[in-house]
Amino acid sequence: DAGITQSPRYKITETGRQVTLMCHQTWSHSYMFWYRQDLGHGLRLIYYSAAADITDKGEVPDGYVVSRSKTENFPLTLESATRSQTSVYFCASSESNYDQLDTQYFGPGTRLTVL
Amino acid sequence: AQKITQTQPGMFVQEKEAVTLDCTYDTSDQSYGLFWYKQPSSGEMIFLIYQGSYDEQNATEGRYSLNFQKARKSANLVISASQLGDSAMYFCAMRERLRAAGNKLTFGGGTRVLVKP
Repeated sequence: DAGITQSPRYKITETGRQVTLMCHQTWSHSYMFWYRQDLGHGLRLIYYSAAADITDKGEVPDGYVVSRSKTENFPLTLESATRSQTSVYFCASSESNYDQLDTQYFGPGTRLTVL
Repeated sequence: AQKITQTQPGMFVQEKEAVTLDCTYDTSDQSYGLFWYKQPSSGEMIFLIYQGSYDEQNATEGRYSLNFQKARKSANLVISASQLGDSAMYFCAMRERLRAAGNKLTFGGGTRVLVKP
């Protein structure tokens, strides 16, 4: 019944450290997405995945790495965190790519602060 | 490139009244989808309503309806009988095809709604 979960919910790290944000969904959705939300902006797509082992860049991929070895998990890694990556990160998933089936459902978000 | 514009950064609405949130979009695609999400102060993104570009009837979902005017490229959200719990940020978004046969949402800047008792 969990749907889509993210962990941790809050994270404080230092510049230069590697950070991994986890995303897990229980719906067996094919598509998964990572967005970031900055103050005064809507959400911007970082990376997405159409299936296990199929990933591609979104609008703002620089500084991030993703993997998807299992359908249900889609971790996002900041290889060397920078202050500009301080943001709220949302993971989302959708069942399909056509019409109403491609409604994206969002996780609760992870608030990341890079000092 | 696609673009979503929400021209109202914030608005007040009296409890029990209706409110319309504006959204205009720009696309050259024939097939697209329009979505509205609600983000309360707790931060989560809650899906509200969807309209497909080929849908002839306006979408409705409880107190939410989408006023879709294709020729004007607008997809306004109407919330009827506002409640205090409707106070939140509202985002309009449009579905766009991606390279890996997936889809992404392009979001507008959002409109903050505050419902007054």
